[in-house]
Amino acid sequence: GAVVSQHPSRVICKSGTSVKIECRSLDFQATTMFWYRQFPKQSLMLMATSNEGSKATYEQGVEKDKFLINHASLTLSTLTVTSAHPEDSSFYICSARDLWRIQETQYFGPGTRLLVL
Amino acid sequence: KQEVTQIPAALSVPEGENLVLNCSFTDSAIYNLQWFRQDPGKGLTSLLLIQSSQREQTSGRLNASLDKSSGRSTLYIAASQPGDSATYLCAATLTGANSKLTFGKGITLSVRP
Repeated sequence: GAVVSQHPSRVICKSGTSVKIECRSLDFQATTMFWYRQFPKQSLMLMATSNEGSKATYEQGVEKDKFLINHASLTLSTLTVTSAHPEDSSFYICSARDLWRIQETQYFGPGTRLLVL
Repeated sequence: KQEVTQIPAALSVPEGENLVLNCSFTDSAIYNLQWFRQDPGKGLTSLLLIQSSQREQTSGRLNASLDKSSGRSTLYIAASQPGDSATYLCAATLTGANSKLTFGKGITLSVRP
């Protein structure tokens, strides 16, 4: 149990285009999902916390108009990178917290590799 | 602000060796601490989670300890195998942080056959 999927796993796009990444909890409900970004040989950095039915909370330094987050249901959150540029190339990972588990455990998706040309 | 440090960044050991991976954190008011494994180009797999009230957790050949007062956690891997080669990350959740994890940069482990 507790499987999180991400789609697509890899995407290459031209500079200036928008890219949407989906994060789904497959066998549990998640009121809260988290979006991270990881540059090569660097740590995972939290970008934003996504709450079902409400606006996402962004970390300091993350542009909310550039990284649009929608959490429309208890099993799906989407991250849209708008007007992507080469510096946005990174590994994006989502995680989800199980609504019914007391323990503060996050389940991580397999990640999405974004390359902006 | 919580900072999590993992040193060294990389480690290479021969197969069969017992090893310890270190993690330190600056704010002792943690809710829990987790160890993850990340294979190249992949997501994270949770290995062990230690609640703030616990001292250690064990799973198979893995044992994680937590010392809040000194701001340290260790991951002990017994009888290492080539399949253990991966990057190991520790992450701390601050009390009242609404599950926000602060990650270290990870230790890339290579176990030589």
